[in-house]
Amino acid sequence: DAKTTQPPSMDCAEGRAANLPCNHSTISGNEYVYWYRQIHSQGPQYIIHGLKNNETNEMASLIITEDRKSSTLILPHATLRDTAVYYCILGGNKLVFGAGTILRVKS
Amino acid sequence: SQTIHQWPATLVQPVGSPLSLECTVEGTSNPNLYWYRQAAGRGLQLLFYSVGIGQISSEVPQNLSASRPQDRQFILSSKKLLLSDSGFYLCASTEGRETQYFGPGTRLLVL
Repeated sequence: DAKTTQPPSMDCAEGRAANLPCNHSTISGNEYVYWYRQIHSQGPQYIIHGLKNNETNEMASLIITEDRKSSTLILPHATLRDTAVYYCILGGNKLVFGAGTILRVKS
Repeated sequence: SQTIHQWPATLVQPVGSPLSLECTVEGTSNPNLYWYRQAAGRGLQLLFYSVGIGQISSEVPQNLSASRPQDRQFILSSKKLLLSDSGFYLCASTEGRETQYFGPGTRLLVL
């Protein structure tokens, strides 16, 4: 069973920031939070991961709450090509994918 | 960075026929390798993972098997396919701390 909870779907206007929440209240001390996305008919793509501190890369930012029980993935300027299913996953040797959030970016 | 190859890209097989899907990895050594399946409209399900040559762990009881004859080669097989084996099969490899990179996948349709 997935150990994270995400909303089933979200809409975002093109050019605006997309903020995707994830709850992981049972996270253990050494588990990383990973985000992947899957564009239709393709394999999942790694986006970002973090342990405690906020992280940023060329794709997105990851904000992790101080108690580590939730996190938010931020796509700063969403484009139509960011429409995908976004998965929040707790790290381990075996990733458990939940249902994810379907993000629809609309013009 | 590593590259993951999977073939074939699509496959249509009759029920009861055998299956062999191959995954090879370039640009890394001694990776952990994974086979996932995604049924239509569903999430990814981990089927097998391997931490080394000849070492296979199965996550769910099923009609499939996996083998790792070489460090960067992972094979998914079946002796007799079932209708329920249809799906999108993805091979993944780890680089660094648990970051998984996925191949392009194989779409299998069992008729």
